[in-house]
Amino acid sequence: GEDVEQSLFLSVREGDSSVINCTYTDSSSTYLYWYKQEPGAGLQLLTYIFSNMDMKQDQRLTVLLNKKDKHLSLRIADTQTGDSAIYFCAESRTDNYGQNFVFGPGTRLSVLP
Amino acid sequence: EPEVTQTPSHQVTQMGQEVILRCVPISNHLYFYWYRQILGQKVEFLVSFYNNEISEKSEIFDDQFSVERPDGSNFTLKIRSTKLEDSAMYFCASSDTGFSNQPQHFGDGTRLSIL
Repeated sequence: GEDVEQSLFLSVREGDSSVINCTYTDSSSTYLYWYKQEPGAGLQLLTYIFSNMDMKQDQRLTVLLNKKDKHLSLRIADTQTGDSAIYFCAESRTDNYGQNFVFGPGTRLSVLP
Repeated sequence: EPEVTQTPSHQVTQMGQEVILRCVPISNHLYFYWYRQILGQKVEFLVSFYNNEISEKSEIFDDQFSVERPDGSNFTLKIRSTKLEDSAMYFCASSDTGFSNQPQHFGDGTRLSIL
């Protein structure tokens, strides 16, 4: 099947910017999502972007989309220790039966003091 | 803000036993989903449910699995005869519509441990 790929680990120092990358394969995906999972917790929706946009900013979060390369990134400005979590990229695929999400493997972000 | 709730948070069951995982989706949502995350692996789609029937299911969702909406609020996942490899975190999600522009809202998950 078609996969969503992410690098598995990222470490940054507190106060620096974090950039988490994702590549997807389904060109028919119309929306791409970022979810955050803290230890022992569920999936928290962070932000999403429509595929005809190339950038979306929401406070400290910036999403960049390169549709030609099927590359999505999430930038977290001024990263804090509370940002330590696993970040999942997901593409939304809709067919005649409805929508289902295909998740990447997740990027574990570690924020160092 | 309305949220999806799942119970129990942790379920420990002997292999071969039946288990029912419960979810209360957001009240005005119409589409419901179950996902599974085996420890250290990616989140995998199991099944979607709309209008009291399964819309779509993955190859993981075999005859051992079933879903039900027994009343107006609960959405359940049943595993009839659990296997060791069913140990995972199970997430319920709901969305307002089935279209891609409506995000799926996830519960905190149920950790299922099969002994």
